Amino acid sequence: KNQVEQSPQSLIILEGKNCTLQCNYTVSPFSNLRWYKQDTGRGPVSLTIMTFSENTKSNGRYTATLDADTKQSSLHITASQLSDSASYICVVSARASKIIFGSGTRLSIRP
Amino acid sequence: GAVVSQHPSRVICKSGTSVKIECRSLDFQATTMFWYRQFPKQSLMLMATSNEGSKATYEQGVEKDKFLINHASLTLSTLTVTSAHPEDSSFYICSASPPSGGTYDRNEQFFGPGTRLTVL
Repeated sequence: KNQVEQSPQSLIILEGKNCTLQCNYTVSPFSNLRWYKQDTGRGPVSLTIMTFSENTKSNGRYTATLDADTKQSSLHITASQLSDSASYICVVSARASKIIFGSGTRLSIRP
Repeated sequence: GAVVSQHPSRVICKSGTSVKIECRSLDFQATTMFWYRQFPKQSLMLMATSNEGSKATYEQGVEKDKFLINHASLTLSTLTVTSAHPEDSSFYICSASPPSGGTYDRNEQFFGPGTRLTVL
């Protein structure tokens, strides 16, 4: 069964600290993996997209990693800011256009 | 990146009325659009996949007669919640996918800002 699991469910950290969010998937055949940021009351916005051959990709203070062998991905946020408070959703695409959403990690940055 | 708009951004209606939500791709043609529903503190739940010029494909458990989808052009899809009830109150989000073979990644989806529906 195609599944995407994210951890932790929620996370609270102090402003300026780093954090890492996890995504494990069982989607097959794998096409790509995306991390989205969703602010409260807004639609998701794409942060990174990674294909099978990519191990790491950065977008400013966001760095995503992918281990296609263990089917794990992580999103690392460096020097967190208050504006990073949001839900972060891992989305895995299988070939033949099947898209599976993770349940998201709710991140709160405290001053 | 590509832009997807939704209108209205929020709507409040009385129970029993119908509400139409528009989803537009502003700078690309979307052969496929998706409609999602999101309840508080939960992830997006796919309701239906809308293909231009053909009937929408609904996910299991989604009533097609209650949630009418029309994808009349390559830039516009509409979702009509018919005879809305309080349990239909939710955050509705659409996304659009450009045709494959263009400048965008395969299976790329661009999300609209969402529509908050409150049924009294």
